[in-house]
Amino acid sequence: AQSVTQLGSHVSVSEGALVLLRCNYSSSVPPYLFWYVQYPNQGLQLLLKYTSAATLVKGINGFEAEFKKSETSFHLTKPSAHMSDAAEYFCAVSLLLTGGGNKLTFGTGTQLKVEL
Amino acid sequence: ETGVTQSPTHLIKTRGQQVTLRCSSQSGHNTVSWYQQALGQGPQFIFQYYREEENGRGNFPPRFSGLQFPNYSSELNVNALELDDSALYLCASSKTLGPGGNEQFFGPGTRLTVL
Repeated sequence: AQSVTQLGSHVSVSEGALVLLRCNYSSSVPPYLFWYVQYPNQGLQLLLKYTSAATLVKGINGFEAEFKKSETSFHLTKPSAHMSDAAEYFCAVSLLLTGGGNKLTFGTGTQLKVEL
Repeated sequence: ETGVTQSPTHLIKTRGQQVTLRCSSQSGHNTVSWYQQALGQGPQFIFQYYREEENGRGNFPPRFSGLQFPNYSSELNVNALELDDSALYLCASSKTLGPGGNEQFFGPGTRLTVL
């Protein structure tokens, strides 16, 4: 079954430093992959998605992710962290439903802390 | 364009009670999915509704049920509440049944506490 694994439940970086959040997927077919961000007491906001059009995907707020089939990875990066990036980040894979449509299967999340 | 809205924001119930959560989908969207997010976990898929019919279901017992109305808004009903049902319940809407890359737009969630 298709799934995603997020390595590191907590990541701490200094403001201005590189952000790297790890996600590995398990899939027997080319997957559709997503990164979502969740701020405290809020719902999920889509950062970016991979739909096989390009391996390097650029998203909102300066984030990007690279799909690497050989490593079954879809890590999220941002060159320079801002205090406002502190949040929980979820990697997800899309699974087709038998009736059409799709459901999302999420990883366990990575809490990003940005320090001065 | 109005986004996905959910009500109520917070809810406290006791074991054995029943609860109804509500969701209004984003304008132009006819598909609604519900997710349960326990504390410290990623969201788990409960079910999806498309044009008033259940289109798919996750690994949740039958006491979790839902409805979708002609205006595409939706309800999640949970009977015989258990302590483990305490969670953030998220509703997400999408334009239609689409390929795997179809984006789902999430509401702010309803925080349910079962005592």
